[in-house]
Amino acid sequence: NAGVTQTPKFRVLKTGQSMTLLCAQDMNHEYMYWYRQDPGMGLRLIHYSVGEGTTAKGEVPDGYNVSRLKKQNFLLGLESAAPSQTSVYFCASGRDPSAFYEQYFGPGTRLTVT
Amino acid sequence: AQSVTQLDSHVSVSEGTPVLLRCNYSSSYSPSLFWYVQHPNKGLQLLLKYTSAATLVKGINGFEAEFKKSETSFHLTKPSAHMSDAAEYFCVVSGYGNQFYFGTGTSLTVIP
Repeated sequence: NAGVTQTPKFRVLKTGQSMTLLCAQDMNHEYMYWYRQDPGMGLRLIHYSVGEGTTAKGEVPDGYNVSRLKKQNFLLGLESAAPSQTSVYFCASGRDPSAFYEQYFGPGTRLTVT
Repeated sequence: AQSVTQLDSHVSVSEGTPVLLRCNYSSSYSPSLFWYVQHPNKGLQLLLKYTSAATLVKGINGFEAEFKKSETSFHLTKPSAHMSDAAEYFCVVSGYGNQFYFGTGTSLTVIP
C-alpha cells in the first residue's frame, strides 16, 4: 500500500517549457487535490477533483490544467512555465471532506523555473 | 466562508518544556479541524483531527488539541517538547463543500 505517490520528485524547467506532474493513489479515494506551497503562505489549492472525469478550480488555478481520466490518477499540467510557478507541489487524496475525512498527502515535487 | 488563522509564525521552546501552537478558525458550519506536521523536505502528516465527537482530541507523538467553540480556537499542545518535534505545523479546517482551508503555518524550533 504505497498511499499517495508523486512523479517526479524534482524538476527544473526553462521559462515557456511544459510539463506534467503525476499523482497516484491506491486508497480508492474519490477526492484528489493539487496544492502549491510557497514560504509564508501555507498550502494553496490549485485544482481539485471529486471523482473520475471531474475537475474544479481552486484558489490559484491560472497557468495550470488538470485531468482525472482514471480514479487513481490526477495529473497537473503546466503549458508554458513561468518563474512565478517555482514552488513545491503537493498532491492529496481523501474521502468526502464534508463527512469529516482527512486528506493524505504525497511527498511533494520541487519545481524550479528559470 | 471558512478560514484559519495561525497566530504565531514562529515558536521557539526549550527541550522538555511545554508547546503551545495557536489556531483560530472561522466557519459558518460545524467544522472539522485538523493539525498536520511537516518535517523539512517532507510531505504533510496528520497529527490529529476534531470531528465533533469529543472536544479534547489526542493525536500522535503526545500532541493534543482542544476545540473551544466559544473562542473559535483549536490550539495544539504538548506537555514536553522533544528535539524531533522541530517542524512546520499547519492548522486546517473543512466541513462544508469539497475543500480544505490551511493556515499559513507555525515553525516550531526546539532548543537543546
